[in-house]
Amino acid sequence: EIVLTQSPGTLSLSPGERATLSCRASQSVSSGYLAWYQQKPGQAPRLLIYGASSRATGIPDRFSGSGSGAAFTLTISRLEPEDFALYYCQQYSSSPYTFGQGTKLEIK
Amino acid sequence: QLHLQESGPGLVKASETLSLTCTVSGDSISSSSYYWGWIRQPPGKGLEWIGSIYSGGSTSHHPSLKSRVTISVDTSKNQFSLTLRSLTAADTAVYYCARPVDQWLAGGFDYWGQGTLVTVSS
Repeated sequence: EIVLTQSPGTLSLSPGERATLSCRASQSVSSGYLAWYQQKPGQAPRLLIYGASSRATGIPDRFSGSGSGAAFTLTISRLEPEDFALYYCQQYSSSPYTFGQGTKLEIK
Repeated sequence: QLHLQESGPGLVKASETLSLTCTVSGDSISSSSYYWGWIRQPPGKGLEWIGSIYSGGSTSHHPSLKSRVTISVDTSKNQFSLTLRSLTAADTAVYYCARPVDQWLAGGFDYWGQGTLVTVSS
């Protein structure tokens, strides 16, 4: 089983700042099958990035994904108030298709 | 527009069996090549992939649940279902059904149901 470790656990930033979230895998995620989700309280997760770097439909271009192998990054170039939420990564290259434990992005 | 909707009991007793159904509208399960998935989230905790099913019936499950889980599809009703046996309090969670963005892959879920809270009582 591929274990995904997200860091930091909590990230405190202000609107307008740049956010960098990390997702590290216990082994290589082949073909870049790595997704990022945003989740707000009481809501289902929302797909942001798939295939490590492809933005999902309707996702603003301030969200970008990068990385390969076992190290991946989600970058939010300029934080908007609505971006403060929980973020999860998921690998879907090897069953079981595991999620990271999440990073909470909070307003500083 | 694709829409997924979970249905099933909100409260079940420990040791009993949970049955949830996901009704899909806006796409035909039988004519698409997607792996339709079940994911759950215990209150205040992270996401856990439970398993996925292809329209042709092939399935994959999380090994920690494999002996208790059955995922099936009813193409005539455009639904897929989750059965989870021998419930414990640890199975209390919001259960989501979802569809991936890419065909032939079992992750990168871009369409989700609203989720249904299942509480297991002792």
